[in-house]
Amino acid sequence: KAGVTQTPRYLIKTRGQQVTLSCSPISGHRSVSWYQQTPGQGLQFLFEYFSETQRNKGNFPGRFSGRQFSNSRSEMNVSTLELGDSALYLCASSRTGENEQYFGPGTRLTVT
Amino acid sequence: DAKTTQPTSMDCAEGRAANLPCNHSTISGNEYVYWYRQIHSQGPQYIIHGLKNNETNEMASLIITEDRKSSTLILPHATLRDTAVYYCIVRAFTNAGKSTFGDGTTLTVKP
Repeated sequence: KAGVTQTPRYLIKTRGQQVTLSCSPISGHRSVSWYQQTPGQGLQFLFEYFSETQRNKGNFPGRFSGRQFSNSRSEMNVSTLELGDSALYLCASSRTGENEQYFGPGTRLTVT
Repeated sequence: DAKTTQPTSMDCAEGRAANLPCNHSTISGNEYVYWYRQIHSQGPQYIIHGLKNNETNEMASLIITEDRKSSTLILPHATLRDTAVYYCIVRAFTNAGKSTFGDGTTLTVKP
């Protein structure tokens, strides 16, 4: 069975630009979560989507947003990029009734 | 979710058992203990989870103390490929989509 896929794997953007990252969960998984990983702050929860609705939200500014489509695929968007947004962005999916999360390989975003 | 405390780093000889401790003294009755590991710059990989009984799967064993305030992840025969950051997380079953990761333990398996 295919794992969680994330695109693109690497991205370089300039301060002030906006970026959209994509995540395809494991087939049958309806929950998709996003995390940001930086050397200074570690792995931090951004938000979770389930059945196209945001179910949980972390402590991030409104520049970070997301959405989920009817096929459970999810996107996250970061507007007005700052240098501090440079990070590995990880997506994870889980199945209803099971509580293991399965992570994708991540998207490495560099803001210059 | 309850907070966890793990040692920053540990070493283990190849072929020996690696025992990684985790303290979660404020764990609630409905919270499970989960372990993940992250090999350099890859996504975290689920290892094992448990509520109050000891658990074993093909990757590892999880020993939870009777008072549930601490646990130990055991890799029975560590290999060089087990070198990674290991995260201990506690969360409720119903909160599967939101994990609070601490700093984890960097395990280095040495030949």
